[in-house]
Amino acid sequence: EAGVAQSPRYKIIEKRQSVAFWCNPISGHATLYWYQQILGQGPKLLIQFQNNGVVDDSQLPKDRFSAERLKGVDSTLKIQPAKLEDSAVYLCASSLAGGTGELFFGEGSRLTVL
Amino acid sequence: SQQGEEDPQALSIQEGENATMNCSYKTSINNLQWYRQNSGRGLVHLILIRSNEREKHSGRLRVTLDTSKKSSSLLITASRAADTASYFCATGIIEETSGSRLTFGEGTQLTVNP
Repeated sequence: EAGVAQSPRYKIIEKRQSVAFWCNPISGHATLYWYQQILGQGPKLLIQFQNNGVVDDSQLPKDRFSAERLKGVDSTLKIQPAKLEDSAVYLCASSLAGGTGELFFGEGSRLTVL
Repeated sequence: SQQGEEDPQALSIQEGENATMNCSYKTSINNLQWYRQNSGRGLVHLILIRSNEREKHSGRLRVTLDTSKKSSSLLITASRAADTASYFCATGIIEETSGSRLTFGEGTQLTVNP
C-alpha cells in the first residue's frame, strides 16, 4: 500500500514570494492534516480536512496561508507572501476516519525562506 | 501551549541500555500516542494507549499511562543504535465544541551510542 506522498521535498524561496505544497493521502483515508514543524519543535496542526470539508483551521494564519482539498483526495497548502518565520517542515498526514486515531505521515516538505 | 510535554528533552545512552521518556499533559484525554521521527523524515506511529488502559507492550516498547497524574512513559528496552531518533507523545482529545484533535509535544531526542 502506498504511503502519504508529498512534494516538493525541499524548497528555497525569498521572503514575500509564494510557495505551494502538494499532498496525496493514503487511498481511502477520509481525513487529511497539514502540520508545521519548526526545527527542534513538535508538529503543530495548521488545518484538518474531513473529506473535502474543513474541520479545524483555528491555527492557520489565514492572512498568508491557504489550503484546499477540492475532490476529497489530494490537497494543496499555499503560503503567500512567505515570511522568514515560515521556514519549517510542512508535514501532511492522513487517517482512516479522523477522530483521535493513528496518523500516517508523509516525508514532509522542507521550506527555507531567505 | 502544547498539551503534551516530554521529559527529558535529550537522552544519550549506550547500546543495550534501556531508555525511558516521559510525557505529561494537562487535560483529560481519549488516548495517548507515541511517534518516532528519524532525522529528516516524517513521523511514524509506534503505539496507542487508551485512557482506560494502564500499560501496553509492543515488541521492545512498553508504554504506561497514569491518568490521575496525567502522565505517560515510553520505555525502550535493550536499545540499538537504530533507535536513535526523536520521540513525540501526542494526546488525543475529544471536545464537544471543537471536535477531536491530536496535539503533539516537543519531543525527546534519543541518541543510542554503539
